[in-house]
Amino acid sequence: GAVVSQHPSRVICKSGTSVKIECRSLDFQATTMFWYRQFPKQSLMLMATSNEGSKATYEQGVEKDKFLINHASLTLSTLTVTSAHPEDSSFYICSARVAGQNNEKLFFGSGTQLSVL
Amino acid sequence: AQSVSQHNHHVILSEAASLELGCNYSYGGTVNLFWYVQYPGQHLQLLLKYFSGDPLVKGIKGFEAEFIKSKFSFNLRKPSVQWSDTAEYFCAVNRGGGYNKLIFGAGTRLAVHP
Repeated sequence: GAVVSQHPSRVICKSGTSVKIECRSLDFQATTMFWYRQFPKQSLMLMATSNEGSKATYEQGVEKDKFLINHASLTLSTLTVTSAHPEDSSFYICSARVAGQNNEKLFFGSGTQLSVL
Repeated sequence: AQSVSQHNHHVILSEAASLELGCNYSYGGTVNLFWYVQYPGQHLQLLLKYFSGDPLVKGIKGFEAEFIKSKFSFNLRKPSVQWSDTAEYFCAVNRGGGYNKLIFGAGTRLAVHP
């Protein structure tokens, strides 16, 4: 089946630094990618919808200047957590949508555990 | 706001026991419903989905789910679990449009003992 590669799987950074997370669709083109955030024992919360070649659509309460999303190609979307703080520590997951008549599917990356010290 | 509730955060069963995981959603309009599974160390994978038609949906690995519109529920069932079913299970909902903007439940961690 289709594979979505998310990198890095784990990152530890100092407060105030920026961290970039990559999400790649390895064997298909993804016009739409989604970024989720998950706190321990809680739901995956949709942060933003990323469409190739256009600005991301952010969910209410998500700071677009804090969480920069770039979807420059049909196989790559990046999430940059700028000036990270300990409260940004979380599990971030991307997913990529394959759109097709009667065959629309969604594939998930393996997630990135971000720890901000 | 639209929400998804999974009643059990943690379920422990012995092999061959029957499984039912509850899922309720709050949105009153047309919805699409999903169950995802995440095995230890692996990606989220789709178990089954409901878009329309027969409310009893059969998925992979012997799982099924029933959409009961009057109860806003989409419970997941399996008649006889195996040790390999140990995983975390997520219910998800969206309002039409296929896979756009899924709203997830908090997940249920299932542990199956041999």
